[in-house]
This record gives sequence, C-alpha cells and structure tokens, in this order.
Amino acid sequence: GQNIDQPTEMTATEGAIVQINCTYQTSGFNGLFWYQQHAGEAPTFLSYNVLDGLEEKGRFSSFLSRSKGYSYLLLKELQMKDSASYLCAVLDSNYQLIWGAGTKLIIKP
Amino acid sequence: DAMVIQNPRYQVTQFGKPVTLSCSQTLNHNVMYWYQQKSSQAPKLLFHYYDKDFNNEADTPDNFQSRRPNTSFCFLDIRSPGLGDAAMYLCATSRGEGGYYEQYFGPGTRLTVT
Repeated sequence: GQNIDQPTEMTATEGAIVQINCTYQTSGFNGLFWYQQHAGEAPTFLSYNVLDGLEEKGRFSSFLSRSKGYSYLLLKELQMKDSASYLCAVLDSNYQLIWGAGTKLIIKP
Repeated sequence: DAMVIQNPRYQVTQFGKPVTLSCSQTLNHNVMYWYQQKSSQAPKLLFHYYDKDFNNEADTPDNFQSRRPNTSFCFLDIRSPGLGDAAMYLCATSRGEGGYYEQYFGPGTRLTVT
C-alpha cells in the first residue's frame, strides 16, 4: 500500500527554526509537495521537489532524498502566523496525489 | 483576482436530506477536484474532472455524485447524507492532469449533518 508518515504535532518557539519530516512509500514517484493549511482553511502551496537536494524559498526550505523516501520542510525565523498544519503529498506513478495527514505546528511566544 | 470559490462556506443539512455544494473558478483550469477532509486527517480525493472527463475514485461511495456543466463550475451532490459525511469539502483546480501541476484550493465548505 501507499503510505505517507509525518509527526502528528510539533511545538516550537517564535524566532526559532523547526524541521518537519515526511517519509513515504509509494508506487512510483513524480514529485513531492508541501502545503500549509491554517485551521478551518484550505491548503496553500508551499513547495515542490522532484530532484534530490534542498530548495530554498525565503524563510521556508524543502529537502528531498528519493533514495531514502524522505523529505523535510525547514521553517526559519518562526512567526506566530506559521502556526498551521503542514501537509506532505507525493505524486505517484499514476500522477495521483497521495496525501499525508499533516503535522500540526504550534508556535509559542 | 483569479480564484477558486466555494459556496456556501458552511452548510447544515439533515440526515438523509440531499445537499449540493458548489465550486467555481476563474483560473480557466482544465482539471477540477473534490476532496473530503475530516479533522486532523489527510484530504481524501473523491473524484476529478479533466475537462468533461469524469474520474471517480474506486472507494468513493455511490452516495456522492458530481456534475461539471462547464469549465468554470463543478457541483458535489450528496444524495443521502449520513452522520459520517460531516466534513470539510474542498474543491481544487489545476492546469493539467499528470506531471507537476500545483493544485489551487477553494476555502472549503464545512458540512454539518444533524
């Protein structure tokens, strides 16, 4: 079966750095997405990785290792508005998007 | 601004009473998706349209139907809502099917079944 694993919840302090991990087992791989979802709102796109390595976009970076079936989202200089769920999703060999359940990130002052 | 719009944002229906959720988009995207998302769970794809081609997920209950009368609009019909159908329903669009195409989500409709 296809599976995406993420921690259920993480807590971090305002101004700090946090890394949210995602491991996947899917039938094929055509890229990995990270989405941000605030409570009661729709997911919004953060990043897409299809090649190994780190992609940096402002305070957010996303890393991929295809051989390990592993990705992480790195958030720097955390702000209170970063409190949200972060969803990892993988495009499988049929270009179907397989979603993780999301990691709820709580930021404390 | 180009966007995905869902109406209503909150819908309350009675057990067994049919309900229709609507989605419209100004992005002119070919693909439209309907997802069901329950609290703290991953979005679950119900079906998607590539233009007028309808693709139903294997495990989507028959109770859920969809219509796409034109490029801009897509509807989700729940014929006989049960208590287990209470969830957030998300509509999304993308430019294409297959390959890398970011999905753009509407704000969602939160359905309550009483």
